[in-house]
Amino acid sequence: GQSLEQPSEVTAVEGAIVQINCTYQTSGFYGLSWYQQHDGGAPTFLSYNALDGLEETGRFSSFLSRSDSYGYLLLQELQMKDSASYFCATLSGGYQKVTFGIGTKLQVIP
Amino acid sequence: DAGITQSPRHKVTETGTPVTLRCHQTENHRYMYWYRQDPGHGLRLIHYSYGVKDTDKGEVSDGYSVSRSKTEDFLLTLESATSSQTSVYFCAISPGQGSYEQYFGPGTRLTVT
Repeated sequence: GQSLEQPSEVTAVEGAIVQINCTYQTSGFYGLSWYQQHDGGAPTFLSYNALDGLEETGRFSSFLSRSDSYGYLLLQELQMKDSASYFCATLSGGYQKVTFGIGTKLQVIP
Repeated sequence: DAGITQSPRHKVTETGTPVTLRCHQTENHRYMYWYRQDPGHGLRLIHYSYGVKDTDKGEVSDGYSVSRSKTEDFLLTLESATSSQTSVYFCAISPGQGSYEQYFGPGTRLTVT
């Protein structure tokens, strides 16, 4: 089976750094993705990690440790517009089956 | 933005009626997915397709069927709608071939009364 755990809510101050953790149990694991979703909108892709280590894309970075079944999303220089839900998702199987976590609602406060 | 649309965007229907949601893409991507999103549950996979006429079940497939007769269209049918199927439904596409991004449609808000 597949299961992912991530915190349900996180609050952080504008300009600060926040880390959103994700642990998973996934058979046939290929990689870990992160998506952002603003209220009322559709999820949008942020990053994908297939190998251990850190991937950086602008203010956002994502990390994966396959041996620990663990990853995180790091958001730097937080802006008010970063207030959204963030989902981790595992890719598995031969036909790119994706399983999402329940999402972490990030609130950025002034 | 990826060319992916969903129709209808909003629908209210009565318990027991059949409902079909349509996902249409213009990207010629191989993979297509149907998810439902409910508070406290995140995004849950209903069915997915890895090619024309090739589909498989996700984690919450009971009460749903799908069809894909053309690359660009992926239909989700609620055979006999129930109130528990009130949800927001998202379609997503992915090219495969080493690309793991999923691109989501705008969603369909379905209410079953």
